[in-house]
Amino acid sequence: ELKVEQNPLFLSMQEGKNYTIYCNYSTTSDRLYWYRQDPGKSLESLFVLLSNGAVKQEGRLMASLDTKARLSTLHITAAVHDLSATYFCAVDGSNYQLIWGAGTKLIIKP
Amino acid sequence: DAGVIQSPRHEVTEMGQEVTLRCKPISGHNSLFWYRQTMMRGLELLIYFNNNVPIDDSGMPEDRFSAKMPNASFSTLKIQPSEPRDSAVYFCASSFVAADTQYFGPGTRLTVL
Repeated sequence: ELKVEQNPLFLSMQEGKNYTIYCNYSTTSDRLYWYRQDPGKSLESLFVLLSNGAVKQEGRLMASLDTKARLSTLHITAAVHDLSATYFCAVDGSNYQLIWGAGTKLIIKP
Repeated sequence: DAGVIQSPRHEVTEMGQEVTLRCKPISGHNSLFWYRQTMMRGLELLIYFNNNVPIDDSGMPEDRFSAKMPNASFSTLKIQPSEPRDSAVYFCASSFVAADTQYFGPGTRLTVL
């Protein structure tokens, strides 16, 4: 059974700091997704990573994928308050369903 | 593009009543997913359709839940009878093909009293 684990599940940090969220998955998967959810809002797609060594960047967020280690990271550079949200990773499971991590709630304090 | 459309956005009902949630996927998308999100259980896939055909409904909690997709532009999720434990946010998502980025609707916040 494919499992996806995120850590940490909760992160409180100061503006201007750097931090990394980790996403581990248990079996081989073709692609990995990162989503963002603001409180009370829907989920928004951030990145899709398709191959080993893939790196994508959008503003202060950078995602990478290591398929051999079954690990993806979401790195936040010089965090700002607007990045406060819950971040989910997900991987393709059987039957083309997405298997979701539990989410990382990120709070960035001014 | 209007994105995935869901209605209603909020629904408050009493236990035992029938609830119908509606979803219009993005035009041209062939896959549609219904999710439920709660604090306790997180995001759960209830059912997914490909080309209007239900592919996997193993996440549907019990017989009180049913879903249909009569055409490529409309799907419903029905709960009959509703119970307080069904209170959650229900999301509909669609994708161009099954193994692709899913685009989520705004969700329906359901409260069953």
